[in-house]
Amino acid sequence: TQLLEQSPQFLSIQEGENLTVYCNSSSVFSSLQWYRQEPGEGPVLLVTVVTGGEVKKLKRLTFQFGDARKDSSLHITAAQPGDTGLYLCAGRSNYQLIWGAGTKLIIKP
Amino acid sequence: EAQVTQNPRYLITVTGKKLTVTCSQNMNHEYMSWYRQDPGLGLRQIYYSMNVEVTDKGDVPEGYKVSRKEKRNFPLILESPSPNQTSLYFCASSGTREAFREQFFGPGTRLTVL
Repeated sequence: TQLLEQSPQFLSIQEGENLTVYCNSSSVFSSLQWYRQEPGEGPVLLVTVVTGGEVKKLKRLTFQFGDARKDSSLHITAAQPGDTGLYLCAGRSNYQLIWGAGTKLIIKP
Repeated sequence: EAQVTQNPRYLITVTGKKLTVTCSQNMNHEYMSWYRQDPGLGLRQIYYSMNVEVTDKGDVPEGYKVSRKEKRNFPLILESPSPNQTSLYFCASSGTREAFREQFFGPGTRLTVL
C-alpha cells in the first residue's frame, strides 16, 4: 500500500513566522500536487511539481519536490492569517492519485 | 462562473434510509469523482467516471453507487446508509480523463447517519 505521510499533522503559529510542512513517502511519484482546503470548502490546487529537485514559488509559498521524487516540502515565509487552512499533498503513481491526510495550519494574528 | 455544485450541503439521516447526493459541473469536464474525507485519513476515492456511462470503483466503494447518464452530473447514491458512512463528501471534476491533472472540487456535503 502506497502512503503519503504529512507532518506535522497540526501547526499553530503567530503571524509573521516562517514554517515548513512535509509530505513523505517510500514510493516514487511521477508528480505531486499541493492543495489548500479552507473550512467549509473543497480543496483548491496550489501547485504541481513534476521533476525531481524542482522548486516552484507562489508568492510567499515555496514548494520543493525531492530529488528522488519520494517527498516534497512546502515552506511559507512570513505567514499570514489568510494562509490558515488544511494543506494536502497528492502524489501520482501510475494512474492513481495517492492523498496525504493533510497538515492543519492556523496562523494567529 | 465555472464550478462544481453539490446538494445538499448538510444532511442528517437514519440508518437504512436511501439517499442521493447530487453533483453537477458546468465546465464540460470528462472526469468526475467522489471522495470521502475523514479526520486523519485524508481523501479517499469512492468512485470515479472517465466519461458518460463509464464508472469505476475507487478505494472505498462498498455501500455506494454512482451513475453518469449525462456529462455534467454524477450523483452518489447510498442505498442503505450506515453510521460508518458518516463523513464529509466531495465531488470533483477534471478537464482530462485523468485524476492527476488539476481537480476542481465542490464545497462538500456533510453527512451524518444516525
